[in-house]
Amino acid sequence: DAKTTQPPSMDCAEGRAANLPCNHSTISGNEYVYWYRQIHSQGPQYIIHGLKNNETNEMASLIITEDRKSSTLILPHATLRDTAVYYCIVPPTGGFKTIFGAGTRLFVKA
Amino acid sequence: GAVVSQHPSWVICKSGTSVKIECRSLDFQATTMFWYRQFPKQSLMLMATSNEGSKATYEQGVEKDKFLINHASLTLSTLTVTSAHPEDSSFYICSARDKGKETQYFGPGTRLLVL
Repeated sequence: DAKTTQPPSMDCAEGRAANLPCNHSTISGNEYVYWYRQIHSQGPQYIIHGLKNNETNEMASLIITEDRKSSTLILPHATLRDTAVYYCIVPPTGGFKTIFGAGTRLFVKA
Repeated sequence: GAVVSQHPSWVICKSGTSVKIECRSLDFQATTMFWYRQFPKQSLMLMATSNEGSKATYEQGVEKDKFLINHASLTLSTLTVTSAHPEDSSFYICSARDKGKETQYFGPGTRLLVL
């Protein structure tokens, strides 16, 4: 399964956009990029996923580069409640086991 | 939609006892469920993959006789920590994959404290 690399931590001002990068240079052609987040002491929450095209939902936008080797999760207007650890994951095709890396700890500051 | 529940949300038990944790997919059928363990300030560690009606597949280093997993239906998987010891104290999280889809949805987690 493709490995992912994320910065360990990031800060963002409340109300500003939070842009969280992820490198997945070994991704194969039919593997999706998934983003989850984990707020302290809770289970991970699904945010968004994509294959090739950019995706947007009520929570966030996902921008995937044309070569698919990296992606960026965008929280358009970060709030204090968005403070969490964000995980970028590329599960192997077929829905088999998902391995979590260390993720990015996002601090949203007032 | 896509809600996964876990019960109990927290449990305290004495060393040597067994603890059962339930994971349910409330509004979808889950052919595959996963069990993770998370220690403080660490990421989630996959323990095992459970497919409905078959034996679970355990990750390297996870004792299958200590962590019993049963996935008897498309909406329920259970993890039993047998003869629990203080080092088993952790945050246990399950996830379920919607039948026919790739996305996993996670439960809220169960915090286990073994005294």
